[in-house]
Amino acid sequence: DGGITQSPKYLFRKEGQNVTLSCEQNLNHDAMYWYRQDPGQGLRLIYYSQIVNDFQKGDIAEGYSVSREKKESFPLTVTSAQKNPTAFYLCASSIDRLASTGELFFGEGSRLTVL
Amino acid sequence: GNSVTQMEGPVTLSEEAFLTINCTYTATGYPSLFWYVQYPGEGLQLLLKATKADDKGSNKGFEATYRKETTSFHLEKGSVQVSDSAVYFCALNDSWGKLQFGAGTQVVVTP
Repeated sequence: DGGITQSPKYLFRKEGQNVTLSCEQNLNHDAMYWYRQDPGQGLRLIYYSQIVNDFQKGDIAEGYSVSREKKESFPLTVTSAQKNPTAFYLCASSIDRLASTGELFFGEGSRLTVL
Repeated sequence: GNSVTQMEGPVTLSEEAFLTINCTYTATGYPSLFWYVQYPGEGLQLLLKATKADDKGSNKGFEATYRKETTSFHLEKGSVQVSDSAVYFCALNDSWGKLQFGAGTQVVVTP
């Protein structure tokens, strides 16, 4: 089945460690996104990529990094510079720029807890 | 800047009750408006959308009408089921094609 796969589903990290969250899609979508979800705050955009080898900062990019070397993959690294990394992270994709359809396809999320 | 404001939850109601979730927005220009739903343990999925004023989006018994005069996009369902228990997000897309989400409203439907 086509869709978006995020891994791991749960992840624990010690302070000071970097961690990478995986996001893979087989929908042949051009655009991919990373959102952070915190209780009572909705979703906030971290990074997005509209084409391979290109990505843009979202609203809360500090302390995060991404790469887009392949169309189907958009990994997110949470670095030690992120002051409050404990959150639920959602990856999404869309056929092209959101302005055309507004529809995002989401993965099931990765819950990161910093110990 | 653009923003979306939703009513706070949780909203708790009995099966077959009428559901309304309020959503208002501020935006420059004429954004498209969306409702997304997140079932427990899952990612979000698009529920319905409206792309211009007075458009009505509908899906799975849910409806929402794009009201430009009141800058609102309230979600309604006439008779909810336990399976409608989820978190509902109102959203708009800005002129750069990015989605702006509201904080989400949790709905709990009891038998």
